[in-house]
Amino acid sequence: QVQLVESGGGVVQPGRSLRLSCAASRFTFRSYAMHWVRQAPGKGLEWVAIISFDGSSQYYADSVKGRFTISRDNSKSTLSLQMNSLRPEDTAVYYCARDDIQQMVSFGMDVWGQGTTVTVSS
Amino acid sequence: SYELTQPPSLSVSPGLTATITCSGDKLGDQYVSWFQQKPGQSPVLLIYQDNKRPSGIPERFSGSNSGNTATLTIGGTQALDEADYHCQAWDTSNYVVFGGGTQVTVL
Repeated sequence: QVQLVESGGGVVQPGRSLRLSCAASRFTFRSYAMHWVRQAPGKGLEWVAIISFDGSSQYYADSVKGRFTISRDNSKSTLSLQMNSLRPEDTAVYYCARDDIQQMVSFGMDVWGQGTTVTVSS
Repeated sequence: SYELTQPPSLSVSPGLTATITCSGDKLGDQYVSWFQQKPGQSPVLLIYQDNKRPSGIPERFSGSNSGNTATLTIGGTQALDEADYHCQAWDTSNYVVFGGGTQVTVL
């Protein structure tokens, strides 16, 4: 079935970098916009970033702008999140999710990965 | 920045209707999605574009959106509906916003 699988999480010291990946399978990856969404322990969902279906546009939450970079490789059906200058408040489960956006209208984040955990601690 | 406000918690008796609100400035001008999340699991899309259900979502889940408030209604609430529910919208700057989430308890 349609699947997203995140990887790359771990424990990292403040100020260091980490790169997350999301592997897509069994759907036409290049047709969908993709999000990263995170959830700190015991907290609600927080949107992180979005990239358009072709990678030409990216938008970021203010909390990560200038530190995180979202990218995609449609030839490999892979989404990435490069996280630099990590802070303790970036500690969370990070999910990737697909979004069918047609003519600037979202049809919802209908497929989510299982999440990968990032812990920023000294 | 744009904010969405949800009640932190809600209790409902089995078989009754649960109504979860999500408030934001002129929210009715935006499309709203709703997600269900059970402990230790990833979110599941319940409603998109205010009131549309993806295939496989039971009809007891319905949504509406007008003015400053969007509403998720669970009709005939069942024990398996016990979960956190999150609303989500887009602001005018192409940013995605989530509400704080509502924990629904069925008892």
